[in-house]
Amino acid sequence: QKEVEQNSGPLSVPEGAIASLNCTYSDRGSQSFFWYRQYSGKSPELIMFIYSNGDKEDGRFTAQLNKASQYVSLLIRDSQPSDSATYLCAAKNTGGFKTIFGAGTRLFVKA
Amino acid sequence: KAGVTQTPRYLIKTRGQQVTLSCSPISGHRSVSWYQQTPGQGLQFLFEYFSETQRNKGNFPGRFSGRQFSNSRSEMNVSTLELGDSALYLCATLTRVRNIQYFGAGTRLSVL
Repeated sequence: QKEVEQNSGPLSVPEGAIASLNCTYSDRGSQSFFWYRQYSGKSPELIMFIYSNGDKEDGRFTAQLNKASQYVSLLIRDSQPSDSATYLCAAKNTGGFKTIFGAGTRLFVKA
Repeated sequence: KAGVTQTPRYLIKTRGQQVTLSCSPISGHRSVSWYQQTPGQGLQFLFEYFSETQRNKGNFPGRFSGRQFSNSRSEMNVSTLELGDSALYLCATLTRVRNIQYFGAGTRLSVL
């Protein structure tokens, strides 16, 4: 079973701190990786996608990919209470048509 | 550009009934995937349709079915509803470039 694993949390950080969310995947054929944010009762919205090893930055968000370690992470700098949500990691194999989602990590940012 | 549209937003049904959910993809997107989301199981893949053909299927019983029309709109049907079918049903469409999925707002189904 090809899986994406995330710590369910909750992860609690104070406002202004860096939140670090981690994800591992089992399918070495995975080529594309995504981070979605989901507020309670809402649908997932895309935050970042990454395909190449290394870091990708977009505003306060940085995605990191290490294919050798099969590890993806999301850093949120200057965390705000509005960042409190569940963050879903997802992986897609270029040869397949399924996107596999992790169970999500709940993040709480305390004001 | 309009996003992914799901209707209805909320549904209340009783056990044994059937239900049909609809998803209209972003214009130009030909792939539609369906997911079931529950607090205990997370986001579970149901199936994907591309150009009116089911391209991939998850591990759900045959009571869950779908189809896609020539305009890429998709419907999902659940027959003989069970209490455990209560969930948020999400559809997502896929960009042709970069294979990014965008989700609709979802249909929240409650089975009583």
